[in-house]
Amino acid sequence: EAGVAQSPRYKIIEKRQSVAFWCNPISGHATLYWYQQILGQGPKLLIQFQNNGVVDDSQLPKDRFSAERLKGVDSTLKIQPAKLEDSAVYLCASSLGSYLSGYGYTFGSGTRLTVV
Amino acid sequence: ELKVEQNPLFLSMQEGKNYTIYCNYSTTSDRLYWYRQDPGKSLESLFVLLSNGAVKQEGRLMASLDTKARLSTLHITAAVHDLSATYFCAVVPSGYSTLTFGKGTMLLVSP
Repeated sequence: EAGVAQSPRYKIIEKRQSVAFWCNPISGHATLYWYQQILGQGPKLLIQFQNNGVVDDSQLPKDRFSAERLKGVDSTLKIQPAKLEDSAVYLCASSLGSYLSGYGYTFGSGTRLTVV
Repeated sequence: ELKVEQNPLFLSMQEGKNYTIYCNYSTTSDRLYWYRQDPGKSLESLFVLLSNGAVKQEGRLMASLDTKARLSTLHITAAVHDLSATYFCAVVPSGYSTLTFGKGTMLLVSP
């Protein structure tokens, strides 16, 4: 089974620039998550999608972050304009969310963003 | 707001020793997860604990869950260097489907 694919793996941008990350979840997983992991901390949820609808975006800084999941498959996360404190690893995860799947979450390799 | 607290945050131990990492959480939960993260890598699922009293073991790691105490433990038996990594617990609150993570425990096993 193919895993959760993310790109790019690394990105360095200057503050006030914009950046976009892409995620392709495991086939058939209706639920997709974006997490932000700052160095030395645990991942923090930014947004949860169920198919192409938003379930929870309460912790997404909406003045600069946006995310979409068109057609309920791939997702993009955008930051515009970036700030120094946005430097982090952005993890995408997907889940089938059922007993049969063991309620497992699968994480991608992440995109490491450095804002200079 | 759900709080997930792990301790210790850093653990240095010698090979062959035993130790336990603790994970406390502040609200009722249906599920608790343990993940391992190596430097520069993503999260690898270790255990999913679904009910009170659940115990799971894989190699030198054993995880348990006490939902009444809102406590999970990850016990390391006879540690080896390969176990060096950061370990996270993550909780799914009852009625929700999102993971809330602790800050992680950085484990360093030395000869």
